[in-house]
Amino acid sequence: DIQMTQSPSSLSASVGDRVTITCRASQSISSYLNWYHQRPGKAPKLLIYAASSLQSGVPSRFSGSGSGTDFTLTISSLQPEDFATYYCQQSYSTPYTFGRGTKLEIK
Amino acid sequence: EVQLLESGGGLVQPGGSLRLSCAASGFTFSSCAMTWVRQAPGKGLEWVSAISATGGTSYYPDSVKGRFTISRDNSRNTLYLQMNSLRADDTAVYFCAKGPGRAVAGKEVDYWGQGTLVTVSS
Repeated sequence: DIQMTQSPSSLSASVGDRVTITCRASQSISSYLNWYHQRPGKAPKLLIYAASSLQSGVPSRFSGSGSGTDFTLTISSLQPEDFATYYCQQSYSTPYTFGRGTKLEIK
Repeated sequence: EVQLLESGGGLVQPGGSLRLSCAASGFTFSSCAMTWVRQAPGKGLEWVSAISATGGTSYYPDSVKGRFTISRDNSRNTLYLQMNSLRADDTAVYFCAKGPGRAVAGKEVDYWGQGTLVTVSS
């Protein structure tokens, strides 16, 4: 199985900050990388698919980049509703594994 | 509006069985691959199973292979997960999610249900 490693595991930031979360795959996954976030008690929500494509309805302050084994999710200016846990997921080969998550908290 | 409503969760003893259902609406169910993802209490997400739009292809991780079976009834717009030989480490919220197209391969899931809790305990 492909292992997905996210860093950091947690992050404190303030409204208006620029934040970057990284995800590394244990082997090349081309651009088959998706990002989700999950607020407490809620279902996950798709933010970015295919490494850099913004899901419909997701604000443009979210962006993704990378290919191969190294990927990043960037939030350009944090808003209060962005404080959540962020997960990357590879869809290159089954099982479609997730990273362990990055919890983004208010400083 | 896409809606996915899971049901069938509950308390079951180790070794028991449970069948989850996911009722879909707001999109053409028969044209979309579907996926089950679970989340143990306080833990991250684990991909559990996926099925193509026609039901002809299904996928499982080793952790559930041989115990869980995914299926769908496109005439009823409903996805199922039959879970047998349940263990304590199967305890989780189980989410139903849809893919953007007919195939599972290479694709994300773009909408999620709210989940149903399965607790395996004696």
